Amino acid sequence: GEEVAQTPKHLVRGEGQKAKLYCAPIKGHSYVFWYQQVLKNEFKFLISFQNENVFDETGMPKERFSAKCLPNSPCSLEIQATKLEDSAVYFCASSDDRNYGYTFGSGTRLTVV
Amino acid sequence: DQQVKQNSPSLSVQEGRISILNCDYTNSMFDYFLWYKKYPAEGPTFLISISSIKDKNEDGRFTVFLNKSAKHLSLHIVPSQPGDSAVYFCAASDMSGTASKLTFGTGTRLQVTL
Repeated sequence: GEEVAQTPKHLVRGEGQKAKLYCAPIKGHSYVFWYQQVLKNEFKFLISFQNENVFDETGMPKERFSAKCLPNSPCSLEIQATKLEDSAVYFCASSDDRNYGYTFGSGTRLTVV
Repeated sequence: DQQVKQNSPSLSVQEGRISILNCDYTNSMFDYFLWYKKYPAEGPTFLISISSIKDKNEDGRFTVFLNKSAKHLSLHIVPSQPGDSAVYFCAASDMSGTASKLTFGTGTRLQVTL
């Protein structure tokens, strides 16, 4: 399809629980990006993939966060042992290798209580 | 350290007038700049971009100007319409290539009034 599909839209987890977010990129797009938006306005880059390979992981926290993009499956971002500070909207985006200005999904709002 | 700054958190403009949104950056390695528009509960939508080799790019009602020496860019919307009311984010990339990560500003909320 022509949209980046993120699921679930909302996720509530107790501190210490695991959270797993999913992203289906636009068909034919070879790059996938994850961003974290905290406090409504600050976007922080987490990680990017070229197909199933990690392209840039300079923004990923060293602990608790992991991500995968496997063939024929949605990409995923997993947070082990969530903390209150992980509460944010997580956006996925995808792009092809021809154009700047990648397409974002509508985000997953994670609330850690 | 905020490498991309949007110093105006909000802007109110009358319908039909020009909206000018500003953005400053500090990293001289940035070579590509983009503007995104965001409505509540939606992801950012790409609007317009500019390469560092240009100083202006125009697309319909939207024009982006880049002043490299001042490390400043601006987005002009003419004429402004009520549907333009949204949060606008400036973003910058420091790699050549479409797979680059973006560094975002903190956004400017534009309200276009009737």
